[in-house]
Amino acid sequence: EDQVTQSPEALRLQEGESSSLNCSYTVSGLRGLFWYRQDPGKGPEFLFTLYSAGEEKEKERLKATLTKKESFLHITAPKPEDSATYLCAGLSARQLTFGSGTQLTVLP
Amino acid sequence: EPEVTQTPSHQVTQMGQEVILRCVPISNHLYFYWYRQILGQKVEFLVSFYNNEISEKSEIFDDQFSVERPDGSNFTLKIRSTKLEDSAMYFCATRSWSGNTIYFGEGSWLTVV
Repeated sequence: EDQVTQSPEALRLQEGESSSLNCSYTVSGLRGLFWYRQDPGKGPEFLFTLYSAGEEKEKERLKATLTKKESFLHITAPKPEDSATYLCAGLSARQLTFGSGTQLTVLP
Repeated sequence: EPEVTQTPSHQVTQMGQEVILRCVPISNHLYFYWYRQILGQKVEFLVSFYNNEISEKSEIFDDQFSVERPDGSNFTLKIRSTKLEDSAMYFCATRSWSGNTIYFGEGSWLTVV
């Protein structure tokens, strides 16, 4: 059974304080590792797809990286508007399996 | 950014009633999905749909659920006889043939009373 585990569950940062979110995955025949941002009461907003170990992608203050067992979402100098739940998901031939998310709060 | 549109945004229904949730996928996307998220819990897979048939479904997707694409554009999720535990946010998602992006709609919040 495919599994995706995210840590920490919650993270509070001061504005400008960089950090990383972790996503460990066991997904059969991984076809892509996805990162999403979710605001309260909203749908997941697509951020990145990573396909192979060593791949990196960047968008503004976010950078996602992938190894054979984990993915990291690095947040550099976060701002309060980066506060959200960040979801990691692994795509197999069958389905996209989500982790429970990391709830990020960035304090001004 | 491409948009997946879902209606209604919120529906309150009596237990035992039928509910239809609708989704307008991104044009030229070929794979369609329904997911649900119970308040405070993770996003859970319900069903995937390709080439006008179900390609995969989870244990949650039992006989009370059905999906169809009645007119070649809308993609619907029907819950035949709603239960209290069906209260959740239901998300439609679509994927292109290349598979490098899966976009989600804003969700339909279903409350069963």
